Amino acid sequence: GESVGLHLPTLSVQEGDNSIINCAYSNSASDYFIWYKQESGKGPQFIIDIRSNMDKRQGQRVTVLLNKTVKHLSLQIAATQPGDSAVYFCAENEYGGATNKLIFGTGTLLAVQP
Amino acid sequence: DAGITQSPRHKVTETGTPVTLRCHQTENHRYMYWYRQDPGHGLRLIHYSYGVKDTDKGEVSDGYSVSRSKTEDFLLTLESATSSQTSVYFCAISEGAGTGAYEQYFGPGTRLTVT
Repeated sequence: GESVGLHLPTLSVQEGDNSIINCAYSNSASDYFIWYKQESGKGPQFIIDIRSNMDKRQGQRVTVLLNKTVKHLSLQIAATQPGDSAVYFCAENEYGGATNKLIFGTGTLLAVQP
Repeated sequence: DAGITQSPRHKVTETGTPVTLRCHQTENHRYMYWYRQDPGHGLRLIHYSYGVKDTDKGEVSDGYSVSRSKTEDFLLTLESATSSQTSVYFCAISEGAGTGAYEQYFGPGTRLTVT
């Protein structure tokens, strides 16, 4: 079947390099953001989240940066590995959380070259 | 997959037939969601539930109905399947904003083909 990764922007990196995936969000009232990873044939997997009262949050090999001034979110992956190859997309909470719904971006395909 | 199962995982059906997809969770989360995922569109919300017998429409609800008679089960029904409903369907769960937990956890998906 057709992959969800088709027609998406693609970031190609060498194994061991750092990756930066960007996301622009639309609603200045959003106060919560999430990054998901989706491997081919699987459901989206939660990676890391950040609230709007923070500029940066770190996890294991991943860092999320939030710039509320320009409504921009980025996901940094350190020492990228072949297992990181997947589609990554961000999500924001709708209407500042009043509806408990998330709005998802369309995603970026990360291709890790050995 | 955070205690979420979907059934069936794959289904091929003919135009005009009814189809029901099931989502089952073992996490006792209040919120459950049905999404469809199509190339170029990302995840789009079909319907969601904020409690037993409490449901609401998402952005692409036409042609779909849902039911939630128990906390653990959320059913998605296509009353009369059309080819435009060929897609991958994902169920998700969330504790809910009241707990400060907006994150949603997804099931493995159901690939539905309508011929």
